[in-house]
Amino acid sequence: DAGVIQSPRHEVTEMGQEVTLRCKPISGHNSLFWYRQTMMRGLELLIYFNNNVPIDDSGMPEDRFSAKMPNASFSTLKIQPSEPRDSAVYFCASSSQDGGGQPQHFGDGTRLSIL
Amino acid sequence: SQQGEEDPQALSIQEGENATMNCSYKTSINNLQWYRQNSGRGLVHLILIRSNEREKHSGRLRVTLDTSKKSSSLLITASRAADTASYFCAGISSGSARQLTFGSGTQLTVLP
Repeated sequence: DAGVIQSPRHEVTEMGQEVTLRCKPISGHNSLFWYRQTMMRGLELLIYFNNNVPIDDSGMPEDRFSAKMPNASFSTLKIQPSEPRDSAVYFCASSSQDGGGQPQHFGDGTRLSIL
Repeated sequence: SQQGEEDPQALSIQEGENATMNCSYKTSINNLQWYRQNSGRGLVHLILIRSNEREKHSGRLRVTLDTSKKSSSLLITASRAADTASYFCAGISSGSARQLTFGSGTQLTVLP
């Protein structure tokens, strides 16, 4: 079975540019999560979706960040305009729907560097 | 706020030894999960223990949960060099359905 697929794996861009990160969750999973990982702050939940609907976006740091899930097999995280402090590894994860909290399956992340 | 805090932050042992990592959390939980992260990769789920369980085993892994102390431990027996990774605990709070809150992790190094 294919796991969670993220693209690109690496992104280097100049500040002010728009950045779009992509995620394909595991087929059949109803919940999708976007995380950011940095040395200083560890792993932070940015937003999660259930059945393609955003449930909690309280972790999204600023209005420059937006996320969409147009269908069950695709999600994007967009940063516009990007800033150097956005540099981090961004992970997408998915899980099957369960009120008790099922294990999450992570992609290998997008390493983002904003110059 | 972080639901889980791992201790120690870093641990270095010889191959064949046991490794114990501890996790403390702040609020009541439905379940607690342990994940492993190899360098440059995503997190991989290891084991889940529910709030009404006290101990769980999976291969060389043993997890305990003490809800009265709000703590959990992960024991890896007969460690191997391939166990070198960061280990995270993460809790699902009683009040939320699907949000995991991760600790800062323990970096385990197993020396051959």
